[in-house]
Amino acid sequence: EAGVAQSPRYKIIEKRQSVAFWCNPISGHATLYWYQQILGQGPKLLIQFQNNGVVDDSQLPKDRFSAERLKGVDSTLKIQPAKLEDSAVYLCASSLFGQGYSYEQYFGPGTRLTVT
Amino acid sequence: TQLLEQSPQFLSIQEGENLTVYCNSSSVFSSLQWYRQEPGEGPVLLVTVVTGGEVKKLKRLTFQFGDARKDSSLHITAAQPGDTGLYLCAGKWSNDYKLSFGAGTTVTVRA
Repeated sequence: EAGVAQSPRYKIIEKRQSVAFWCNPISGHATLYWYQQILGQGPKLLIQFQNNGVVDDSQLPKDRFSAERLKGVDSTLKIQPAKLEDSAVYLCASSLFGQGYSYEQYFGPGTRLTVT
Repeated sequence: TQLLEQSPQFLSIQEGENLTVYCNSSSVFSSLQWYRQEPGEGPVLLVTVVTGGEVKKLKRLTFQFGDARKDSSLHITAAQPGDTGLYLCAGKWSNDYKLSFGAGTTVTVRA
């Protein structure tokens, strides 16, 4: 079974520029998550999709971050304009279901973003 | 604000030694998961615990969930260099469906 795919793996941009990340979840997984992991911290949930609808985006800085999941499969996360504090690894994860006590999230390798 | 604390932050041991890392919260978890993350990769789920007092074993790894479901520990017996990585605990609190991650414990096992 193919895992969660993310691209690009690395990106270096200057502050105030724009950047987009792409995620392809495991086939058949209804729920997709975007996390931000700053160096020395655990992943922080930015947004959760159930199929193509947003379940939770309470921690997404909506003035600069946006995400979409067209057709309930692939997803893109965009930052415009980027700030220095956006430097982090952006992880995409998917799970078969989004509810319940026990479910497994499968993570992609992440995109390491450096804003200079 | 509910916080999930992990300790220690860093741990460096010699191959063959044992180690324990901890995960604590002031609030009750409805479930708790442990992940291992290697450099340049995403976290990989090791175990999920749900019942207070539960103990699960995965080869040389032993996971324990506290009776009050506010804390958990991960014990590794006879650590090997392949156990090197960032160990993250992630919990769901009773009043929140989201998974919240701790900052992790970086474990280095020297050959």
